[in-house]
Amino acid sequence: DGGITQSPKYLFRKEGQNVTLSCEQNLNHDAMYWYRQDPGQGLRLIYYSQIVNDFQKGDIAEGYSVSREKKESFPLTVTSAQKNPTAFYLCASSITDVNTEAFFGQGTRLTVV
Amino acid sequence: ELKVEQNPLFLSMQEGKNYTIYCNYSTTSDRLYWYRQDPGKSLESLFVLLSNGAVKQEGRLMASLDTKARLSTLHITAAVHDLSATYFCAAASPTSGSRLTFGEGTQLTVNP
Repeated sequence: DGGITQSPKYLFRKEGQNVTLSCEQNLNHDAMYWYRQDPGQGLRLIYYSQIVNDFQKGDIAEGYSVSREKKESFPLTVTSAQKNPTAFYLCASSITDVNTEAFFGQGTRLTVV
Repeated sequence: ELKVEQNPLFLSMQEGKNYTIYCNYSTTSDRLYWYRQDPGKSLESLFVLLSNGAVKQEGRLMASLDTKARLSTLHITAAVHDLSATYFCAAASPTSGSRLTFGEGTQLTVNP
């Protein structure tokens, strides 16, 4: 089955640690996105990638980093510089970044302990 | 900058009643999406509205788009408990590609 796989589903991080969230898609989509959701709020764009080996900052990129070395993979690293990382993180992909519908993964819930 | 506002943010209704959720957006948008989210889950796509006057219906839900008023509505007919969830609208501008700006969400509770 084609789809977007995020792992892990739950992740716990100690303060000061970097953690990496995985996002893999087998839909052959060029564009991929990372969104953050805080309780009671909508999603906000962290980073996006229109094509392999290229990515741009979204609205709340500070404290995060990404890479796009393969078309199917777009990992997100939450660094120690992110002051309040506890949130629900959703990865999405679309055929291209031009007017095509985005499809979402199942999400990773990150908690700082 | 595109901004999206939904209201109400919380909605408690009885089974069998009708209600409408409103979604206003601030600048030109050429695509409007409605999603459903159950607690702890991802987003489920409900509707994609692409043009002025577009109306789409699925079961007890109907979505419409008025681009001149910059308004989309999600109408719920004869609500049932299974519709309890959080509903988001999201808009994309002509310059934002497939990147979306989301509203805050409407938390709907349907009581027996």
